[in-house]
Amino acid sequence: QVQLVQSGAEVKKPGSSVKVSCKASGGTLSSFAISWVRQAPGQGPEWMGRIIPSLTIGKSAQKFQGRVTITADKSTGTAYMELSSLRSEDTAVYYCARDSTSGTTSPDYYMDVWGKGTTVTVSS
Amino acid sequence: DIQMTQSPSTLSASVGDRVTIICRASQSISRWLAWYQQRPGKAPELLIYDASSLQSGVPSRFSGSGSGTEFTLTISSLQPDDFATYYCQQYTSYSLTFGQGTKLEIK
Repeated sequence: QVQLVQSGAEVKKPGSSVKVSCKASGGTLSSFAISWVRQAPGQGPEWMGRIIPSLTIGKSAQKFQGRVTITADKSTGTAYMELSSLRSEDTAVYYCARDSTSGTTSPDYYMDVWGKGTTVTVSS
Repeated sequence: DIQMTQSPSTLSASVGDRVTIICRASQSISRWLAWYQQRPGKAPELLIYDASSLQSGVPSRFSGSGSGTEFTLTISSLQPDDFATYYCQQYTSYSLTFGQGTKLEIK
């Protein structure tokens, strides 16, 4: 049974960067895609981007392009999400999740396994 | 981006009630919709995918229906464990989007 283990909480200053890790256990990272989703306090989830096993660099949602970098280290089975130029609005819980699909006709993915989340607080 | 709108935002119900949550998409998404349950301080958990397919291990009192732009999540007989927040998510376009959530409260 695949589990996703995330790194611990972070407190950052505005303008700095944060890098969150997500290690897959019970499965091989290269066999599935990983999405990153964040959730600000009291808000719904927001999809940030994903990394596909065959790629060394992920793709991000348009909102985060230029600010987020999604990577993976296949040798350690770990995915990373780095967010730069942090501002107070980036304060949120950041989740990694395994992408899943019911078949080849599905245009994209839902998420069937989630990490426990990493709290990132941006404050001066 | 495709906008997902859930109603109601809050729903008060009692154990044993049958409840329905609605999710509407700003454009047709065929059947490419998932439902998640989230308890306070926890990660979302997948309940339903492809609008009506029950995720393995999810109780059969949960069901989903709909296609195009209107979808529903129904809980046939509420159990104490079901009081949580529910989100829909579309996956027809590369930029995945979620609804704003429906909080199910005990009446």
